[in-house]
Amino acid sequence: DTGVSQNPRHKITKRGQNVTFRCDPISEHNRLYWYRQTLGQGPEFLTYFQNEAQLEKSRLLSDRFSAERPKGSFSTLEIQRTEQGDSAMYLCASSSILGPGTEAFFGQGTRLTVV
Amino acid sequence: DQQVKQNSPSLSVQEGRISILNCDYTNSMFDYFLWYKKYPAEGPTFLISISSIKDKNEDGRFTVFLNKSAKHLSLHIVPSQPGDSAVYFCAADYWGSARQLTFGSGTQLTVLP
Repeated sequence: DTGVSQNPRHKITKRGQNVTFRCDPISEHNRLYWYRQTLGQGPEFLTYFQNEAQLEKSRLLSDRFSAERPKGSFSTLEIQRTEQGDSAMYLCASSSILGPGTEAFFGQGTRLTVV
Repeated sequence: DQQVKQNSPSLSVQEGRISILNCDYTNSMFDYFLWYKKYPAEGPTFLISISSIKDKNEDGRFTVFLNKSAKHLSLHIVPSQPGDSAVYFCAADYWGSARQLTFGSGTQLTVLP
């Protein structure tokens, strides 16, 4: 399977715990994005990487959130001291740097439930 | 503020008929528009796109129309099939945004057999 892979698919955690999600993008894609989707809404942009550099972060990304993409391959998204409001689907996407019109390919997402 | 709006949360059509999903946007900088389809428990899947220099793009049963003056786009599915039942998201971006997508809230399409 050469698509975007996310692990785990589901995560249930207690409030205050830290969680980490992993995303493996399509291998030849330079850009990697994290989005968050809550019930009844479309995905909202969180952050993106071009190769290993994190070039943009949304104001939605509080200081409890940190993302990395070492060596420009897979990426991790960590949430520290989770809150109930963090419960959402976290989506990873990747795309090529070719230019306008290059659509992003999404993974299946990690559903986080904070109890 | 919602820069991309899908005002119809749901739409039901009969199999074989046309499905028309609508999307409005407010940001004049948007120059590229995409439609994604999402099944439950899966990530969004790219469906079709259109550049702002065009007013129509067709791919099989799917056609997207863009009216720049009205800041409106629509997705037509003809003929609709039960397998098309999914949530459809309209998304937009612009050159210089690093292709970060701004999504609408989605429309649940149900195609009745």
